[in-house]
Amino acid sequence: EVQLQESGPGLVKPSQSLSLTCSVTGYSITSSYRWNWIRKFPGNKLEWMGYINSAGSTNYNPSLKSRISITRDTSKNQFFLQVNSVTTEDTATYYCARWDWELDYFDYWGQGVMVTVSS
Amino acid sequence: DIQMTQSPASLSASLEEIVTITCKASQGIDDYLSWYQQKPGKSPQLLIYDATSLADGVPSRFSGSRSGTQYSLKISRPQVDDSGIYYCLQSYSTPYTFGAGTKLELK
Repeated sequence: EVQLQESGPGLVKPSQSLSLTCSVTGYSITSSYRWNWIRKFPGNKLEWMGYINSAGSTNYNPSLKSRISITRDTSKNQFFLQVNSVTTEDTATYYCARWDWELDYFDYWGQGVMVTVSS
Repeated sequence: DIQMTQSPASLSASLEEIVTITCKASQGIDDYLSWYQQKPGKSPQLLIYDATSLADGVPSRFSGSRSGTQYSLKISRPQVDDSGIYYCLQSYSTPYTFGAGTKLELK
């Protein structure tokens, strides 16, 4: 069974970088699909942040494009999120999720990791 | 960006009602529309894709429809377990955008 698991620090200071890892089991991230990061803000708004596809190409939300980077380690079957220059507005629960580009939906999600930006 | 205007923001329904949640797209999205349910402490789960297709394992009381650029999720005779937050998502173009969410309470 496909499983995704986020990990990373739960507290980040303003102006620093937020770095998260999504570990994938049950499927190789180089085989197919798009591997995404999505966040949920307090108040329940969901925002798609971007993805890395099986070939390693990325697509980012323009609202974040200057601050975001999604990379991967194929040997560990992991992909990563980095958000630079964070502010308190980046406080959210961060999810990684797999996008089925043939059927057009998110089919597998991680359980989410809460990140608070605070000094 | 394509805006998805979702309504209502919240609703309280009885187990005998038909619940309808709508999302209006700011432009045509060619049925690239999916619906998700999220319960507290859990990740969103797929209900409907391609506007009207029921995801595997989802009860038949859930259905999706479209009229113009307005998409609807209907829950017929909801169960207590259907409480949660419902989101629409357009995937016609990036950035993918979600509706603001509808919090459903069953009474």
